[in-house]
Parts: sequence; structure tokens; C-alpha cells
Amino acid sequence: AQSVTQLDSQVPVFEEAPVELRCNYSSSVSVYLFWYVQYPNQGLQLLLKYLSGSTLVKGINGFEAEFNKSQTSFHLRKPSVHISDTAEYFCAVSSRLTYNFNKFYFGSGTKLNVKP
Amino acid sequence: DVKVTQSSRYLVKRTGEKVFLECVQDMDHENMFWYRQDPGLGLRLIYFSYDVKMKEKGDIPEGYSVSREKKERFSLILESASTNQTSMYLCATQGLTNEKLFFGSGTQLSVL
Repeated sequence: AQSVTQLDSQVPVFEEAPVELRCNYSSSVSVYLFWYVQYPNQGLQLLLKYLSGSTLVKGINGFEAEFNKSQTSFHLRKPSVHISDTAEYFCAVSSRLTYNFNKFYFGSGTKLNVKP
Repeated sequence: DVKVTQSSRYLVKRTGEKVFLECVQDMDHENMFWYRQDPGLGLRLIYFSYDVKMKEKGDIPEGYSVSREKKERFSLILESASTNQTSMYLCATQGLTNEKLFFGSGTQLSVL
């Protein structure tokens, strides 16, 4: 089974500062990688995904992530955060179990708190 | 866009009650999932279903069961609710290319 580690449970940052949310996973064998965001009182929304190809993936709201196979990492970055980015961010890995089913493994989440 | 609807946003039940959490999707997806979300633990898979009347245990199935009588509806059942089942419950479906999950807005269940 896969495991996903988000090292930081909370990240406080000032508005317009850069931010990096860290994610490491246990295996690089045939996995897809995702970042989901959860705003207060809402479900999870897909921020970005890595399936194959370029290791730098761009997502919505100015976020990007880089797949590093040798370090089994998929860190999320944004060069300048806004108050509206305050949310909880989940890293996830999926691996194929059958021809039509991928199982997802989620990290424990990182709460990003953007201060004015 | 895909819509995943969970019938209740907040639910308060008493210990020992039978609880039904309902989830409906409108995109004809085969795969549906129930997760529970707890602070510091992320999302943990309770049960999933890959077809009507088909179900599989996830990582924490104890104390739960599920029902999928129609493709669009996936129900989570707590046969006898306990206080340690107080949690946020998230339903999700898997897209046709199996690349990502689509989530409902969640049900915050409190068992008193």
C-alpha cells in the first residue's frame, strides 16, 4: 500500500509571500499524483494532477507542483499567496488496482493560513 | 460538470441510532467511495463500490455498511452509531478515465 506524508500540519504565511507545501509518498511505481484543496465547509476540489510527461504541473489559482521521482516528492508551490488561498490542502497518490479502478491514498493535510 | 450531492450538510444523532448518509451523482460513474475525514488523519477510505450491488471494504470498514441499489446512489449506513463515529463524511465518484475523484460537499455527523 502507498503512504503519503505531508510534513507540515499548518503553514502560516503573510499575503503576497511565496509558499511551499511539502508532500512525499512511499513509491514511485506507476502512480498518479494530485493536490486537492478544501475551503471551509466545502468538499475537496482538484487543484492539479500529475499523470505523466512534464514534471512541472500547473494548476488553478496560480499553484504549481513538481514531481521528483528520485526523491518521491510532489511539493506544491505558489509565488505569491492571497487571503483567499486560506484552506486545507491534501496531497494524494493513486495507483491502479484493476483495469477500471484506481485507489487513492491521502496525506493528513496542511492548513494554509494566509495573514494580511 | 460532475455533481455529487450529499443529502445532509449537518446531522446530529444519538448513540445507538441507525444512521443513513446518502450520496447521489449525476455523471453515470461506475466507481463511488465513502471517506471519513478527521483532523490530522486526512481522508480514510471506508467502503467503495465499482458497480451496482457491488461493494468492497476500504481501510476502516468496521461499524459501517453500504448499499448501492442504483448506479447513481451510494448510501453509507451506521448500524448503531457510536461517539467515535463523529466525523466529516465525504462521498466521491471516480471519473471515466479513473484519473481523479469528484467530491460531495460532505456531511458533518455528530453522535451524542
